[in-house]
Amino acid sequence: DAGVIQSPRHEVTEMGQEVTLRCKPISGHNSLFWYRQTMMRGLELLIYFNNNVPIDDSGMPEDRFSAKMPNASFSTLKIQPSEPRDSAVYFCASSSNSGRWDEQFFGPGTRLTVL
Amino acid sequence: GESVGLHLPTLSVQEGDNSIINCAYSNSASDYFIWYKQESGKGPQFIIDIRSNMDKRQGQRVTVLLNKTVKHLSLQIAATQPGDSAVYFCAENAGGYQKVTFGTGTKLQVIP
Repeated sequence: DAGVIQSPRHEVTEMGQEVTLRCKPISGHNSLFWYRQTMMRGLELLIYFNNNVPIDDSGMPEDRFSAKMPNASFSTLKIQPSEPRDSAVYFCASSSNSGRWDEQFFGPGTRLTVL
Repeated sequence: GESVGLHLPTLSVQEGDNSIINCAYSNSASDYFIWYKQESGKGPQFIIDIRSNMDKRQGQRVTVLLNKTVKHLSLQIAATQPGDSAVYFCAENAGGYQKVTFGTGTKLQVIP
């Protein structure tokens, strides 16, 4: 079982550039979550999907952030244009959706540095 | 960059001793309370959860206690081992059965 797969593991970019983070959830899971972790704000939920449909994006910081889930095995989080304050570790997590709380399995994260 | 960050409380325990990590939660309507462990450079890993209609749940070497009167959650780790060194987060599923809100975390340091 490969677990949640994220790529890239590290990304260094310059302010103003577009950044795309990728996630492959665990096979069979139909809920997917994007989190951001910083020293300042801790671990924050950005957006989550059920069956490829965005359910709650209230945590997305601003219009520069967008997320898509074109199919059950792939999701992207895009930042355009990126800013230094976007530097953080971004985690993707997935879970089954049984109608109650289900354990969320986290990926290894993408460490983003915006210069 | 960030010049001010969260100050993580740190708990230092001797190897073999029991550890108790505490957490105050905010939403009395939360249905589930969860403990996650995060090792350096890795994503959070589920440890144990407890439903709001329970006050105690035991797992392997871990026990979670829930006190809804004072909105307090604790994680007890028996016979703490060096591999238990990590940051521990409590979380609650406030605002929907899947939406989880994480606390700020406690760093556990195990002294060999």
